Amino acid sequence: DGGITQSPKYLFRKEGQNVTLSCEQNLNHDAMYWYRQDPGQGLRLIYYSQIVNDFQKGDIAEGYSVSREKKESFPLTVTSAQKNPTAFYLCASSSPGLGYNEQFFGPGTRLTVL
Amino acid sequence: AQSVTQPDIHITVSEGASLELRCNYSYGATPYLFWYVQSPGQGLQLLLKYFSGDTLVQGIKGFEAEFKRSQSSFNLRKPSVHWSDAAEYFCAVGAMDKLVFGAGTILRVKS
Repeated sequence: DGGITQSPKYLFRKEGQNVTLSCEQNLNHDAMYWYRQDPGQGLRLIYYSQIVNDFQKGDIAEGYSVSREKKESFPLTVTSAQKNPTAFYLCASSSPGLGYNEQFFGPGTRLTVL
Repeated sequence: AQSVTQPDIHITVSEGASLELRCNYSYGATPYLFWYVQSPGQGLQLLLKYFSGDTLVQGIKGFEAEFKRSQSSFNLRKPSVHWSDAAEYFCAVGAMDKLVFGAGTILRVKS
């Protein structure tokens, strides 16, 4: 089955630590996205990438970093510079049809800072 | 700037009753519009999309939505709600190569 996988489902981090969230897709999609979700705020775009070895900042990129070394993979690192990282993180992917707008989502990773 | 407004944070309907969730958008060009549904702790599932043509679009799970350009709206409807429809619903507009989401509407279904 084609789809998007995110791991781990739950992640706990101590203050001052960097953590990396995994996102893999086997849909052969060109574009991949990372969103942060907080209650009552909808989804906010962190980073996105439309091609391997290239990515762009979204609306809330500060304190986060990404890489896109393979088409299938788009890991997100939450650095110690992110002041309030506790949130639900969603990865998505899309293809050029409909201008990349039709996005497919993974199941999410819930990050909690202890 | 592109934006999406979902005026209702929470809506409660009785099982079997009809449902309408409101969505208003701001976008200069012809929009691509989407409705997604999210169960607690899960990812988002696409319910339906509009990009051109017939302004009434059908989606999965018996949902439909109507695009009204004059009102900048894309309201989601369902004739008869089931308990399994309880979830959070997000409206989104395609803006260039990104999606802009509304804040979501939480649907509660009472028996």
